[in-house]
Amino acid sequence: KAGVTQTPRYLIKTRGQQVTLSCSPISGHRSVSWYQQTPGQGLQFLFEYFSETQRNKGNFPGRFSGRQFSNSRSEMNVSTLELGDSALYLCASRTQLNTGELFFGEGSRLTVL
Amino acid sequence: DQQVKQNSPSLSVQEGRISILNCDYTNSMFDYFLWYKKYPAEGPTFLISISSIKDKNEDGRFTVFLNKSAKHLSLHIVPSQPGDSAVYFCAAKTGGYQKVTFGTGTKLQVIP
Repeated sequence: KAGVTQTPRYLIKTRGQQVTLSCSPISGHRSVSWYQQTPGQGLQFLFEYFSETQRNKGNFPGRFSGRQFSNSRSEMNVSTLELGDSALYLCASRTQLNTGELFFGEGSRLTVL
Repeated sequence: DQQVKQNSPSLSVQEGRISILNCDYTNSMFDYFLWYKKYPAEGPTFLISISSIKDKNEDGRFTVFLNKSAKHLSLHIVPSQPGDSAVYFCAAKTGGYQKVTFGTGTKLQVIP
């Protein structure tokens, strides 16, 4: 069974640009969550989608947005990039919303110059 | 507001000895707790969990202890092995369809 797949793995952008990251969950998993990992801050929750609907949302500004498609694949978008957006963005899927066991992808490393 | 806290950013332990990783939480509504392990260039992987109705859960070399009155949990690894060197994240969730909240992580180094 294929794991969670994230693309691209690495990308470099400049301030003011926007970026779109993609995540394909494990087959059969309808929930996709996004986390931002930065040194000293751990994993900060961005949002979660289930069956194309945003079910949970973290405390990030509106520049961070996401969506989920009918095949459960998800994208997150960051507009007007800032230097502080440089981070590892992790996607995770789970079988149901009431389980705590998440399956993570390898992440997308974003560097903003 | 960091609801799940891991106050030790790093820990070094000799191979064969016990590793104890600690985690504190502030939200009394959390009722399920998990530990994840993360190697460099990989995503975190689930390690072990515990429900709030228990105070201990064991899986091989890994044991998680929960002290609800102190809002504290710990992960014990016995014996520690060099392959255990990784970043360990404590996580928690409330009941129902809620997000999983993670701590800041503790980097464990097991010295051969």
